[in-house]
Amino acid sequence: GEDVEQSLFLSVREGDSSVINCTYTDSSSTYLYWYKQEPGAGLQLLTYIFSNMDMKQDQRLTVLLNKKDKHLSLRIADTQTGDSAIYFCAESSHSGNTGKLIFGQGTTLQVKP
Amino acid sequence: DAGVTQSPTHLIKTRGQQVTLRCSPKSGHDTVSWYQQALGQGPQFIFQYYEEEERQRGNFPDRFSGHQFPNYSSELNVNALLLGDSALYLCASSPGQGSEKLFFGSGTQLSVL
Repeated sequence: GEDVEQSLFLSVREGDSSVINCTYTDSSSTYLYWYKQEPGAGLQLLTYIFSNMDMKQDQRLTVLLNKKDKHLSLRIADTQTGDSAIYFCAESSHSGNTGKLIFGQGTTLQVKP
Repeated sequence: DAGVTQSPTHLIKTRGQQVTLRCSPKSGHDTVSWYQQALGQGPQFIFQYYEEEERQRGNFPDRFSGHQFPNYSSELNVNALLLGDSALYLCASSPGQGSEKLFFGSGTQLSVL
């Protein structure tokens, strides 16, 4: 069945790079997403990648997709304390209809000053 | 431009009661999806509404029902509340079923006592 897995916790120093990893099972996924959730808030769309791409860069964010291994990663350059949050990886489960996303459990990113 | 708005922000109910949660999609969006996020978990897809009809449904019982109005706003109804229904309920909207851009509201925190 459809499943998305992430490591639960990552701690980095301010100014370092953070890499959050995710694996998924549905090879028919059209889009893969990264969302950020701060305490008591909803989900903020950070970035997404189409499944036929290998990489996407958006300012401090770099997404890498290895479709063969079904592995997705999010790299945050020059991590700041404001980046502390829970990061969710998600895949769209149906081609042509992206309303249903399958989310991972979330990775808590702790940024130490 | 208002984003996705949800009401109320917090709600306390007792077991067996019924609850209605409301969502207004982002301007220009006509598709609404609902998700349940239990504490410490990723969001789980409940259902999606487009053109006032339920288009997709996740693995949730019939106690969960919804509605979409002509102005694209939506309601989520939960009957016969259980303690396990306590969660953050998130609404997401997109400009069409096939759009890759899914934007979330801040959610309604439901506590069932």
